[in-house]
Amino acid sequence: GAVVSQHPSRVICKSGTSVKIECRSLDFQATTMFWYRQFPKQSLMLMATSNEGSKATYEQGVEKDKFLINHASLTLSTLTVTSAHPEDSSFYICSAREGDIKGYEQYFGPGTRLTVT
Amino acid sequence: LAKTTQPVSMDSYEGQEVNITCSHNNIATNDYITWYQQFPSQGPRFIIQGYKTKVTNEVASLFIPADRKSSTLSLPRVSLSDTAVYYCLVGGGSNYQLIWGAGTKLIIKP
Repeated sequence: GAVVSQHPSRVICKSGTSVKIECRSLDFQATTMFWYRQFPKQSLMLMATSNEGSKATYEQGVEKDKFLINHASLTLSTLTVTSAHPEDSSFYICSAREGDIKGYEQYFGPGTRLTVT
Repeated sequence: LAKTTQPVSMDSYEGQEVNITCSHNNIATNDYITWYQQFPSQGPRFIIQGYKTKVTNEVASLFIPADRKSSTLSLPRVSLSDTAVYYCLVGGGSNYQLIWGAGTKLIIKP
C-alpha cells in the first residue's frame, strides 16, 4: 500500500527558532498534500492544502507567513514553522493524495510531535 | 462542506461486533464516505471508503442507506487492539479536503 513518511518524528526547539518538517510519499506520486495540526485529545485541524508546483492554500486563521509550505516535487512537501512559540507545540500530520483516483483516499504520515520550549 | 455527527464514545467487549453510526445529512452528490482509525500519537489509518450500498474489506464493512444521510461502520469480532478513535468523513468534491469531526472513542474491554 501507499506509504507516507514524516521526518522528524519528534522535535524540541527553543522559542524563536524555526523548524522544518518533511513529508514524503514513498511509493506513489502525490499531486496533493495536506497538513494538519492536532492538539491533545482533539480532532485533526486542516491547516493547508498544497498542490505540486503551486502555492499552498491556507485555511482561515492559519498564518501563511508563520507556517511555510513548499511542495516542490510530487513526492515531497515541507512545513516550516517560523519563529516558533510554545503555543505552536502540537502534533503535525501530513497526508498525501495520489493523482485523480476516484474517491479521495488520503494516506497519512505518522506525525511529528513538536515541542517548543 | 458536509458535517458529520457520531457518538463521542462507545464501549464493547472482545469478540463482539461493533457498529458505529455517523450522520451526514448534508452530504453532496459527489461526496464519498470514508472512515479512519487513529491511535494516540499516530497518523490516521484508512479503514474503508464507500459511496452507496455496502462495502466490505478484510477489516470492516460499511453500510450506506439509499439516501446516504448516514453510514455505519461495522467491525466484526473486535479485539483489545481495536481500541482507538474512529473518524467518519465525507467529501471528495472538487478540492478533496477532509473535514474532521470529533470522532468516536472506542474502548474494547476484555
